[in-house]
Amino acid sequence: IQLTQSPSLLSASVGDRVTLSCKGSQNINNYLAWYQQKLGEAPKLLIYKTNSLQTGIPSRFSGSGSGTDYTLTISSLHSEDLATYYCYQYNNGWTFGGGTKLELK
Amino acid sequence: EVQLVESGGGLVKPGSSLKLSCVASGFTFSSYGMHWIRQAPKKGLEWIALIYYDSSNKYYADSVKGRFTISRDNSKNTLYLEMNSLRSEDTAMYYCAMRGAYWGQGTLVTVSS
Repeated sequence: IQLTQSPSLLSASVGDRVTLSCKGSQNINNYLAWYQQKLGEAPKLLIYKTNSLQTGIPSRFSGSGSGTDYTLTISSLHSEDLATYYCYQYNNGWTFGGGTKLELK
Repeated sequence: EVQLVESGGGLVKPGSSLKLSCVASGFTFSSYGMHWIRQAPKKGLEWIALIYYDSSNKYYADSVKGRFTISRDNSKNTLYLEMNSLRSEDTAMYYCAMRGAYWGQGTLVTVSS
């Protein structure tokens, strides 16, 4: 399964509502996770099984979707959220999307 | 506290071999499947291998199949990645991960003449 993330680069301001997209080449059956990676750090799991929030992750992060289309939403952007975000499917094999880099406008 | 610590990376020449290790602590290592994931410089994440908790099944990305071997020693709480016939495109930070939620800090492999 191939994953396509859009946009590849997103400029936003603190306080904005931000939506990142991930589209699969086949049905992912909700086995989709989202990771946040800051420069020089290992990725951090934010969301698993489409919409389950990992322990310790702020509630401003949420996930949704079904079939081939999935979304990560940040309800109100904080400065510490600036990072690259990856989606990851584990329904059929294991694949990462190409990433969306979130930067300050 | 779950900890994963990778080691074994370094600078090697094309065509050579290298064996990475990942030492786990803070959980029952023998109960969980383990992954290797890599990230080339300034590139995205690439899943490369999975081994089941009991080594009964192993899966590889096409990019490394036939060259890399994943293994584990549950008595030593250690995951391995043996890499043969290394190419310049294998240059990356290599991470081990458990259940997708816990990652090590990575070990850097550079393949260059």
